[in-house]
Amino acid sequence: GAVVSQHPSRVICKSGTSVKIECRSLDFQATTMFWYRQFPKQSLMLMATSNEGSKATYEQGVEKDKFLINHASLTLSTLTVTSAHPEDSSFYICSALPETNAYEQYFGPGTRLTVT
Amino acid sequence: GENVEQHPSTLSVQEGDSAVIKCTYSDSASNYFPWYKQELGKGPQLIIDIRSNVGEKKDQRIAVTLNKTAKHFSLHITETQPEDSAVYFCAASWATDSWGKLQFGAGTQVVVTP
Repeated sequence: GAVVSQHPSRVICKSGTSVKIECRSLDFQATTMFWYRQFPKQSLMLMATSNEGSKATYEQGVEKDKFLINHASLTLSTLTVTSAHPEDSSFYICSALPETNAYEQYFGPGTRLTVT
Repeated sequence: GENVEQHPSTLSVQEGDSAVIKCTYSDSASNYFPWYKQELGKGPQLIIDIRSNVGEKKDQRIAVTLNKTAKHFSLHITETQPEDSAVYFCAASWATDSWGKLQFGAGTQVVVTP
């Protein structure tokens, strides 16, 4: 089946530093990947949509200079949280849309970011 | 934009009983309705989905129904087991536009007691 991985699964960083999270589709190619953040006991909130080879599209209220997204290949998208602050602590989840299927999104296992 | 409402927020059932979760959506252009199961500390897992040209779909103990006229869809879990305990999310998408962006419901915490 379609598998999406994320790395790292957990990361702790100090306030002011930057953190990069990788999202990979392991057995399929994805022209579109999505990045979500999820706070405890809440739903998933879409942050941005990334298409391979083009700039990401950010949802309203999401700072594109703070959350840098790169979708350099059909199997890899990265999210960099720049100048992280404690309020950026959250569960970040990516999903990938196979290029052969316009419907089913496959989700990664998530990355727990803690900013101290 | 699309707005998805999900009820109930929590659902406690006895093992072996059925569980029903209901969602409504606002955008009549939505044409894809997946359901996800999320266990603590993990990413969502697709458990079943339905497209707008279908009224019902079943996969073993799980079924989904869609009423396009009323703009609501439901998840039915029969013969519940303790391993069904998790948070369930419904979502709606219009796959022909917006690159298939999903709008999620608020989630339902399902607890199955033995």
